[in-house]
Amino acid sequence: GQQLNQSPQSMFIQEGEDVSMNCTSSSIFNTWLWYKQDPGEGPVLLIALYKAGELTSNGRLTAQFGITRKDSFLNISASIPSDVGIYFCAGPISNFGNEKLTFGTGTRLTIIP
Amino acid sequence: EAGVTQSPTHLIKTRGQQATLRCSPISGHTSVYWYQQALGLGLQFLLWYDEGEERNRGNFPPRFSGRQFPNYSSELNVNALELEDSALYLCASSAGTRAYSTDTQYFGPGTRLTVL
Repeated sequence: GQQLNQSPQSMFIQEGEDVSMNCTSSSIFNTWLWYKQDPGEGPVLLIALYKAGELTSNGRLTAQFGITRKDSFLNISASIPSDVGIYFCAGPISNFGNEKLTFGTGTRLTIIP
Repeated sequence: EAGVTQSPTHLIKTRGQQATLRCSPISGHTSVYWYQQALGLGLQFLLWYDEGEERNRGNFPPRFSGRQFPNYSSELNVNALELEDSALYLCASSAGTRAYSTDTQYFGPGTRLTVL
């Protein structure tokens, strides 16, 4: 089925570095969601975006809803060890009137000691 | 407040068997969603239940089925298990029946199903 494309697939950074990742779609979205999944756990919602151009922060995390409504960006400033995990973007996609939440392929963040 | 709970944590079955996975939503939530997360892949939408009814279904064969009980807990059944059904099965709940754009989904820790 249709998927959201996330990049990069994986990132290896040092503690303290800033992180940027993005998500693109061929369809227009009305909502963008960013989740983080720790090993062995379910995803946890980080940030929800509801309007094109919207910029929302949650602590050291900042996400933006792209103007074209086909992309979104997530930035993490001054990374710390607990930022390690997989980050997923998600958005609702309609198919013949049925809407379902579709997830991106994920960006795996690893912090190098 | 308790979060979404799932049981069992791990489940090992052999090909052809049936698996039953259970989910209890956050208190007050009426919608339950099931997702499959195969190793190294993203989450694939399976099923959405609300108020006891199946509202939407992902691109999975009919041997994936489920139900929602009057207390809003839910069960996912996978019949005639195949090796490729091995995955983490995640359950999520949300507060209402509106579109995903206005309902935040809260996830449980998942059930790791291994098919041998």
